Amino acid sequence: DVKVTQSSRYLVKRTGEKVFLECVQDMDHENMFWYRQDPGLGLRLIYFSYDVKMKEKGDIPEGYSVSREKKERFSLILESASTNQTSMYLCASSLLQGPGYTFGSGTRLTVV
Amino acid sequence: GENVEQHPSTLSVQEGDSAVIKCTYSDSASNYFPWYKQELGKRPQLIIDIRSNVGEKKDQRIAVTLNKTAKHFSLHITETQPEDSAVYFCAASRGSNYKLTFGKGTLLTVNP
Repeated sequence: DVKVTQSSRYLVKRTGEKVFLECVQDMDHENMFWYRQDPGLGLRLIYFSYDVKMKEKGDIPEGYSVSREKKERFSLILESASTNQTSMYLCASSLLQGPGYTFGSGTRLTVV
Repeated sequence: GENVEQHPSTLSVQEGDSAVIKCTYSDSASNYFPWYKQELGKRPQLIIDIRSNVGEKKDQRIAVTLNKTAKHFSLHITETQPEDSAVYFCAASRGSNYKLTFGKGTLLTVNP
């Protein structure tokens, strides 16, 4: 069974902290994505990557950065966490030719 | 960029009735339209998808229709069951390997 694993299910951080969210997939997928999910707003794309060391901004990249040093791992970084970054963060991956995404279970981040 | 509108935001039906969720998209270059189901506390999972060279696709009790001219597509669930209760998301992209833009979701409740 294909798997996308997010390192933490729940995370509580303080305002101003640097936060790392990790995502690992074991399917040899080329594409990896980070979304945040908020009630009434659906899933919004933060960053994505089509290859190692490659990254592209999504629709809401402000306040975030990413790292993809290995094909199987895609990290989301909050340089200085703020309360408006409290959200559910979903990682996903897909093959270069598709179809569709496989999602991780999500990380619920609370910034206090 | 792409914009996907989804309606209704909530839908309540009686068990055995049909449910229809509608989405519109803005980017005429979009050609891949998946639907995801997210049960409470779980990750979104792909339930059906359609490409722009097809007008309709069925898989048991679920079907998706696409009208490229009008730029809208719909999910149809027949003979609904309580286990169909979930949030459903539509999405659009320029290819099955391209980034997805999601609608805001529809909370479907099937009452026994």
